[in-house]
Amino acid sequence: AQKVTQAQTEISVVEKEDVTLDCVYETRDTTYYLFWYKQPPSGELVFLIRRNSFDEQNEISGRYSWNFQKSTSSFNFTITASQVVDSAVYFCALSSRGSQGNLIFGKGTKLSVKP
Amino acid sequence: AAGVIQSPRHLIKEKRETATLKCYPIPRHDTVYWYQQGPGQDPQFLISFYEKMQSDKGSIPDRFSAQQFSDYHSELNMSSLELGDSALYFCASSKTGVNTEAFFGQGTRLTVV
Repeated sequence: AQKVTQAQTEISVVEKEDVTLDCVYETRDTTYYLFWYKQPPSGELVFLIRRNSFDEQNEISGRYSWNFQKSTSSFNFTITASQVVDSAVYFCALSSRGSQGNLIFGKGTKLSVKP
Repeated sequence: AAGVIQSPRHLIKEKRETATLKCYPIPRHDTVYWYQQGPGQDPQFLISFYEKMQSDKGSIPDRFSAQQFSDYHSELNMSSLELGDSALYFCASSKTGVNTEAFFGQGTRLTVV
């Protein structure tokens, strides 16, 4: 069975702090895709990153970085120097389809960044 | 750039009524996905269509049906609405192929009273 676990339900930080959101996944597929989405209070789902199972390179995009480790089945997301606008619910998701088909989402982590 | 368009954005229905949600994918996208997100929950995959044929099915209730039309837009029909159907319904679209990402619409918030 496939499963995504985001153990942190809520995290609260003060602006400019670094914060890491954890994601652990389970799958028996050898080819799979991992994603992170941001859902601000307005409700839309904003795509942040996709990583396939063959690419373990870490990625950095501005203040965002992602650490993919197959050995621990983890795909963690770090925000450096957090800002109030980063406040949102962040979802980690898994798909074994070639593209984003049947996505299995984690329960989400609600991040609150206080000024 | 054109995005996925969902209509209506908000919908209020009474119990036992029917509702139809519409999704207009990004031009040249051939696959559409529907998700349901209950209050405080994660999105749950309902159903998807590729080239107007159902391609995958998730936890979609029998009271719900969906289809994709020749212009690739999709409609989610929901009958005998229940209070528990109150949720945010997302549509996403993608162009079939490896390493293609899906783009989500802004969602339709359905409230059943």
